[in-house]
Amino acid sequence: QVQLQESGPRLVRPSGPLSLTCAVSGVSISSPNWWTWVRQSPEMGLEWIGEMHHNGNRNSNPSFDGRLTISLDKSKNVFSLKLTSVTAADTALYYCVSRRIDDVNPEAYFFDNWGPGTLVTVSS
Amino acid sequence: QMTQSPSSLSASVGDRVTITCQANRDMRTYLNWYQQTPGQAPKLLIYAASNLEAGVPSRFSGSGSGTDFTLTISSLQPEDFATYYCQQYDIVPVTFGQGTRLEIK
Repeated sequence: QVQLQESGPRLVRPSGPLSLTCAVSGVSISSPNWWTWVRQSPEMGLEWIGEMHHNGNRNSNPSFDGRLTISLDKSKNVFSLKLTSVTAADTALYYCVSRRIDDVNPEAYFFDNWGPGTLVTVSS
Repeated sequence: QMTQSPSSLSASVGDRVTITCQANRDMRTYLNWYQQTPGQAPKLLIYAASNLEAGVPSRFSGSGSGTDFTLTISSLQPEDFATYYCQQYDIVPVTFGQGTRLEIK
């Protein structure tokens, strides 16, 4: 059974970096999945942040251009998010998620496993 | 890009319910549906517009292509009262609808 678990500081100062790690169990991070971050806030709803594949490829939301780094650590089976220059608008519930490609139709993909989420507040 | 309707809906156990998601461009069948209950992460229900995820009850179904998509629950059960989201993956960035809150009448 695939499980994901977010960890990291719950309170971040404005202008500082927001850093989170997702521990993955039940599947290798070197599997065909893409490793994704999604956040949720009352203002913006569900918002896709970006993702990374074990082959080094990345995709990201242009809204975060210049502030976002996603990385994988294969030895620890974890992936991480770093968002710099945060403001109150970055206060949200952050989820780590696996994106799986359908076995039958490789053009179809979906977010099939989610961590429980971690609430990060940006405040001084 | 994705407009869900209604934004909220009251219904009774046993009712048939339909939620729609409209796109402002052709999304082919690149659309998924999720269910979120309070305090929980979203859960995948339907992928590629009409494919039922393994383990999801058959009372859930999806249809549509292009710009108009539908999630139907054929006979509401108590555990179905939740918020439902559509999600497109035709273009980057992936985006979600604003959600439809399904409440008990």
